[in-house]
Amino acid sequence: GQQLNQSPQSMFIQEGEDVSMNCTSSSIFNTWLWYKQDPGEGPVLLIALYKAGELTSNGRLTAQFGITRKDSFLNISASIPSDVGIYFCAGHTASGTYKYIFGTGTRLKVLA
Amino acid sequence: DTGVSQDPRHKITKRGQNVTFRCDPISEHNRLYWYRQTLGQGPEFLTYFQNEAQLEKSRLLSDRFSAERPKGSFSTLEIQRTEQGDSAMYLCASSLGGFGTEAFFGQGTRLTVV
Repeated sequence: GQQLNQSPQSMFIQEGEDVSMNCTSSSIFNTWLWYKQDPGEGPVLLIALYKAGELTSNGRLTAQFGITRKDSFLNISASIPSDVGIYFCAGHTASGTYKYIFGTGTRLKVLA
Repeated sequence: DTGVSQDPRHKITKRGQNVTFRCDPISEHNRLYWYRQTLGQGPEFLTYFQNEAQLEKSRLLSDRFSAERPKGSFSTLEIQRTEQGDSAMYLCASSLGGFGTEAFFGQGTRLTVV
């Protein structure tokens, strides 16, 4: 099925560092969502974005809805060990379907 | 509000057997989604319901798969004649509906076909 491209696929960072990841699509999106998933669990919603250019924060997390509506970015500031996990972007395309399309995921590992 | 609930959390079945999973969405949510996730991949869309109507099905949903939401509340996903390739995490999500609403996921059902 169709999936969004996320970059990087995985990353190791030191505790306290800032993290940036992005999500790109060939289609225009109306909504961007960012999720975190721990092993054996379902995805947990972190941030939702609804307008091109929108910048939204949730604690140490900040996400942006790209101006072209074909990409989104997630930043994590001052990473801590519990940030470890897989981060997925997801969204609705502008094609009229209500299904959410998911990205391929960014696996984050934090070194204490 | 207990969020989206899925049952069972884990299921081990022999190839060829039928299995059924249940999802209870957040009570006021009228949209309910089923996704499948294999190791190392993002969730892949299977189907979704608006109240009791099944509005879209993925080509991934073969004729061995059937989903229902009889009263617009809980939903079931049945897999008939399971195959080893059906082994995956099956995720359920619900949302209020519309383009500007977010989806909340349950903890998933891990299916292992042996």
